[in-house]
Amino acid sequence: EAGVAQSPRYKIIEKRQSVAFWCNPISGHATLYWYQQILGQGPKLLIQFQNNGVVDDSQLPKDRFSAERLKGVDSTLKIQPAKLEDSAVYLCASSLEGSRDYGYTFGSGTRLTVV
Amino acid sequence: GNSVTQMEGPVTLSEEAFLTINCTYTATGYPSLFWYVQYPGEGLQLLLKATKADDKGSNKGFEATYRKETTSFHLEKGSVQVSDSAVYFCALSEGAGKSTFGDGTTLTVKP
Repeated sequence: EAGVAQSPRYKIIEKRQSVAFWCNPISGHATLYWYQQILGQGPKLLIQFQNNGVVDDSQLPKDRFSAERLKGVDSTLKIQPAKLEDSAVYLCASSLEGSRDYGYTFGSGTRLTVV
Repeated sequence: GNSVTQMEGPVTLSEEAFLTINCTYTATGYPSLFWYVQYPGEGLQLLLKATKADDKGSNKGFEATYRKETTSFHLEKGSVQVSDSAVYFCALSEGAGKSTFGDGTTLTVKP
């Protein structure tokens, strides 16, 4: 089975620029997550989708971050404008269902550097 | 709110040594507990899980037991190999699947 696909793998931008990340989950996985992982820390949830609806976006900085999951399949996360503190790895994960008993399958992540 | 605390690293062991990585949690409900592993240059992978108290998760020689009385989920392996060198993350999940992660413990195994 194909894994979770993410692109790009690396991105370097200047502060105040915009950037977008793409994720394609495992086929048939209804739940998709975006996490932010700052160096030396564990992943922190940004947003959770169930099919094409938002389940939890309470930790998403909505003044600069946005995300969508059209047609309940692939998803895009955007940052506009970027700040230095947004430098992190952005991880996409998917799960068969939005349940506490299912673990995640993670993509390889996108490493963002804001200079 | 929920939180996960892992023993600080890095941890350095010789090959065939016994491994324990401590993990304790705070949760408002009845979470499932997970260990994920991140090998150098790769993404996080699910290593094992336990969904209720006293359950033992196991995979690739690693084990962890869900201890509700001590709110712990310590990771153990009887004999580590160089190939086990990685970052290990403990996590809990409640409700609709949102997970809270610890900050990771780096393990280095020397031959």
